[in-house]
Amino acid sequence: KAGVTQTPRYLIKTRGQQVTLSCSPISGHRSVSWYQQTPGQGLQFLFEYFSETQRNKGNFPGRFSGRQFSNSRSEMNVSTLELGDSALYLCASSSIPTFPSGGEQFFGPGTRLTVL
Amino acid sequence: GESVGLHLPTLSVQEGDNSIINCAYSNSASDYFIWYKQESGKGPQFIIDIRSNMDKRQGQRVTVLLNKTVKHLSLQIAATQPGDSAVYFCAEGGSGNTPLVFGKGTRLSVIA
Repeated sequence: KAGVTQTPRYLIKTRGQQVTLSCSPISGHRSVSWYQQTPGQGLQFLFEYFSETQRNKGNFPGRFSGRQFSNSRSEMNVSTLELGDSALYLCASSSIPTFPSGGEQFFGPGTRLTVL
Repeated sequence: GESVGLHLPTLSVQEGDNSIINCAYSNSASDYFIWYKQESGKGPQFIIDIRSNMDKRQGQRVTVLLNKTVKHLSLQIAATQPGDSAVYFCAEGGSGNTPLVFGKGTRLSVIA
C-alpha cells in the first residue's frame, strides 16, 4: 500500500507570490490534515479535511486555505507569501477524523517551502 | 536530511541502554496523547498513544507513562538501538474538538 505522497518536495518562491501544495493520502483514507513545521514553533496544526469538509482549523491567517477533492486528495494554498511562511509543510492521512476520535495519522515526507 | 529543530534538547544514550524521553503537556482536559518519531528528511511516524483513563501502555520496546496529576508524559525505549536516533514529539488532544498540540521535541542520539 503506497504511503502519503506530497508534491512538490521542494519549492522556492518570492514574497507576495502564492503557492499550492498537494497531498495524496493513503488509499481508503478520507481524512487529511495539514501541519506547518518550523524550528522555532515546531509542528503546528493548519486544518483537517474529512470527506471534502473542513472539520477543524488551526490559528493561522486567512492566507492559508485548503480543500479536499472527492478522491480525498487535498491541496493547501498560501497566498501573498511572507518570509515567515518558510517551513516544512506536512500532510497526514487517517481513515477516521482525528478529532475527537484520535485516529492514527500517517505523515508524508513534507514539502519544504522557502520564501525569498 | 532536513533539520527538524536547531535548538532541541538532546538526549544521548549508549546503545543497549534504556531511554526515557519526557514531555510536559499543557491542557488538563486533554484525553489523548501520542508519541511520534521523526527521522531526518521524513515526516513524523506514530509510535504509541494513550488515553487519559490509563496511566501506562506498552508496545514493542516502548512504554508510555502518563501522570495526569503533574501533566507529564514519558516515553521509555528499551534496549535503544542506533535506528532509534531521531527527534521524538509528544502531542496532546481530544479536548472537545480541538486539534492536536505538539511539543517542541527531543532529539535522541544513540551512541554505538
